[in-house]
Amino acid sequence: GAVVSQHPSRVICKSGTSVKIECRSLDFQATTMFWYRQFPKQSLMLMATSNEGSKATYEQGVEKDKFLINHASLTLSTLTVTSAHPEDSSFYICSARGNTDTQYFGPGTRLTVL
Amino acid sequence: EDKVVQSPLSLVVHEGDTVTLNCSYEVTNFRSLLWYKQEKKAPTFLFMLTSSGIEKKSGRLSSILDKKELFSILNITATQTGDSAIYLCAWGAMKTSYDKVIFGPGTSLSVIP
Repeated sequence: GAVVSQHPSRVICKSGTSVKIECRSLDFQATTMFWYRQFPKQSLMLMATSNEGSKATYEQGVEKDKFLINHASLTLSTLTVTSAHPEDSSFYICSARGNTDTQYFGPGTRLTVL
Repeated sequence: EDKVVQSPLSLVVHEGDTVTLNCSYEVTNFRSLLWYKQEKKAPTFLFMLTSSGIEKKSGRLSSILDKKELFSILNITATQTGDSAIYLCAWGAMKTSYDKVIFGPGTSLSVIP
């Protein structure tokens, strides 16, 4: 159990376009979902926390207008990178948490902005 | 500011060796400690610890938490090449109206034949 999926696994886009990444909890209800980004050889950096039905809470330094998060249901959260630029290229990982503190991670999305 | 420190940051051992990975923290309102293993993709869950002094085991891996001294260790015995990965510890901290998990920088373990 506790499977989290992400889609797409890899995306390449042109600078200035927007990209949407989906995160789904497949076999449990995720009251909270987290979005992270990870640069090569670095640890996970928390971007934002979202609770179902409410606005996401962004970490300091993360632009909420650039990284739009929607957590419309207990099994789905989306991250939209708006007007993407090459510096947004990174590995984006979501995680989902149900009733315990354990977070289960999605497989990640590799974003490359040309 | 909440902080999680891991040591060593990288480690190279031979197959069969035993390794101990360290994680210390300074966080307010501690809830839990989690260990993850990250290979090429996203982290996979290993352990969650909430109580001091109780060891959790899974095969050759074990972990224990010391809430008084604010640290945790992850032990891997009889290491295998498949243990090569980044090991992340994370502290669940309760802050204001939401809970978040703070990750350490990770320990990169390389097991050579």
